[in-house]
Amino acid sequence: DAKTTQPTSMDCAEGRAANLPCNHSTISGNEYVYWYRQIHSQGPQYIIHGLKNNETNEMASLIITEDRKSSTLILPHATLRDTAVYYCIVRFLLSGGYQKVTFGTGTKLQVIP
Amino acid sequence: EPEVTQTPSHQVTQMGQEVILRCVPISNHLYFYWYRQILGQKVEFLVSFYNNEISEKSEIFDDQFSVERPDGSNFTLKIRSTKLEDSAMYFCASSRQGYGTDTQYFGPGTRLTVL
Repeated sequence: DAKTTQPTSMDCAEGRAANLPCNHSTISGNEYVYWYRQIHSQGPQYIIHGLKNNETNEMASLIITEDRKSSTLILPHATLRDTAVYYCIVRFLLSGGYQKVTFGTGTKLQVIP
Repeated sequence: EPEVTQTPSHQVTQMGQEVILRCVPISNHLYFYWYRQILGQKVEFLVSFYNNEISEKSEIFDDQFSVERPDGSNFTLKIRSTKLEDSAMYFCASSRQGYGTDTQYFGPGTRLTVL
């Protein structure tokens, strides 16, 4: 799996958009970008994933650059409950689908009232 | 929304004792995983399980560890003789068979404390 680089920590004001960057300059054409988060030692929570197109769901948006070397996770209106460690993970997926998720150290997002 | 559940939420045991951590994966999922997280460290992969067999295991998953799917709903992790360094959060995850994508959904974890 390609290596990712994320800032160690970020702050965001409550109600504002939180933009979490991730660099994955060695990503290959069949590797996906996944985002998970972990709220205070709870189980990692799946947020969103994408291959090359931008993606949006009820939790977040994922913007992937055209060259796919970086991406940004956007939480449109951050709340205090979004305070967590956010993990950007690049995964090559076999057709069988049974592959481990390799977690890095992630970005600790602190949402400030 | 279906979710992965784990029991117990906290297990305290004496060094050398056997523990069994239990998980109920999402019902239509076919792939099962265990991860662990030592306090303050990264989440680490332990083992993946499919079709009643281990698909992959990490170097952490030594002979003291075993996994089982004893019935159609439960997935268990057994540690035969616990050590102090086994103290950690243990997370179960599951995924359904997907072609091209595979999203793993994690349970809330079991905190194992070995005294």
